[in-house]
Amino acid sequence: RKEVEQDPGPFNVPEGATVAFNCTYSNSASQSFFWYRQDCRKEPKLLMSVYSSGNEDGRFTAQLNRASQYISLLIRDSKLSDSATYLCVVNRGSTNAGKSTFGDGTTLTVKP
Amino acid sequence: SQTIHQWPATLVQPVGSPLSLECTVEGTSNPNLYWYRQAAGRGLQLLFYSVGIGQISSEVPQNLSASRPQDRQFILSSKKLLLSDSGFYLCAWDPGQANYGYTFGSGTRLTVV
Repeated sequence: RKEVEQDPGPFNVPEGATVAFNCTYSNSASQSFFWYRQDCRKEPKLLMSVYSSGNEDGRFTAQLNRASQYISLLIRDSKLSDSATYLCVVNRGSTNAGKSTFGDGTTLTVKP
Repeated sequence: SQTIHQWPATLVQPVGSPLSLECTVEGTSNPNLYWYRQAAGRGLQLLFYSVGIGQISSEVPQNLSASRPQDRQFILSSKKLLLSDSGFYLCAWDPGQANYGYTFGSGTRLTVV
């Protein structure tokens, strides 16, 4: 079993739709969590951290469920520009060094 | 503000040739530095990380090596490239605290022919 698992998709949604991605992790001692966005042939860019109480940034909402060991990303009112691959990252240490694991990503395509 | 520079952007190298990719970070001191590789259509694979000058940890044994000759400089090398070394190489940094995510360089797309 992979340490971090994501549904690879692809998710194909119309503009304006709400879409949610989940990411499960196996190490219950994991301490910090992130969502990254990666455009085709580009580097990943940090989208948002995921806090225990859940957090929102505009149309994006991230949540953490420690009991079930998953994090989620909700995108409301999808835009064409949201088309990308979304990577979840789980950090199992008090520092990042060597302790972050990336999921393989979920591909989202938003269509007109 | 902090910036990360990585070069070259693309590289085509013959099998058996050497490799040197360089990454530098500006605007911070004592960052953690990372080299990742992403094969086509695949996830990110951590190759090396460094928490300080001269300190290198290898995650995947292979024909690649890394060095950190200066605080904000991280170099990925190979003496003899293999076809399987082709991929998208990404350098990243973080300030050494778990609640901060990584910032990636723009990457080097390496094709070994």
